[in-house]
Amino acid sequence: EIVMTQSPVTLSVSPGERATLSCRASQSVSSHLAWYQHKSGQAPRLLIYGASTRATGVPARFTGSGSGTEFTLTISSLQSEDFAVYYCQQYNNWPPLTFGGGTKVEIK
Amino acid sequence: EVQVVESGGGLVQPGGSLRLSCAASGFTFSTKWMHWVRQAPGKGLVWVSRIDTDDTITTYADFVKGRFTISRDNAKNTLYLQMNSLRAEDTAVYYCARGGGYCSGGNCYPFFDSWGQGTLVTVSS
Repeated sequence: EIVMTQSPVTLSVSPGERATLSCRASQSVSSHLAWYQHKSGQAPRLLIYGASTRATGVPARFTGSGSGTEFTLTISSLQSEDFAVYYCQQYNNWPPLTFGGGTKVEIK
Repeated sequence: EVQVVESGGGLVQPGGSLRLSCAASGFTFSTKWMHWVRQAPGKGLVWVSRIDTDDTITTYADFVKGRFTISRDNAKNTLYLQMNSLRAEDTAVYYCARGGGYCSGGNCYPFFDSWGQGTLVTVSS
C-alpha cells in the first residue's frame, strides 16, 4: 500500500497570502496524484488531477506541481472561501486508492 | 449539473446491517465507475470500494472485504453499498463519488471527480 504523507497538518495563513501544501508518497506514483478541497459538512471537491491539471471551474490561483514522490499544491493568494482541509490522493498503484492525512488551512 | 446524493445512513447496532444508496443525475451514469469513500469522525478520507460500469468488477479495501458489497442499477441511476457485520469502527460519513481518470495498457488510474455530501452511519449499542 502506498502511504501518502501531507505537511504541515495545519497551516495558518492571512487572506491574500500564499499557501504551500506538501504531499509525499512512500513510493513513486508518477503523475497520478489528485488534490481535493473539503469544507466541513460539504462534498469534497476535486481541484487538481494528473499532479498539475486544474479541474473544471477551479480558479487559476490553485497550482499543482511535482512528480514521483514529491508534490505541492500552491494557493497563490488566499481568499476567504479557500479556508478548508486539503487532501492529496494517489491513483497510480491500487487497490487501495490512498489519501494523505490532510492539511487544514486556517485563518491567521 | 452533475449530482450524486447519498441516503440510507443511520444508527445501527454492532453486527447489524445497513444499505446505502446514491442517486446520480446530470451525467450518463452507466458510463462511469463509481466509488464509496468514508470519513470517520475527526479523521481523513479513506477509500472503501469501487465498481466498474456494468457491475462486473468490484474492488474493496481490505477492512471491508467480505462484509460490504457494492452494486449498481444503471436503469435507476443508483449506486448501492450493502454493509453487513457492522463494527463500531465503521462509524463514518460515507461519500459516493463519481470516478474520473483513464485506462491505458491494461491499467486504470481512477480519481474522484464529483462527490456527494455524504450520509452518516453510526454503529453503536
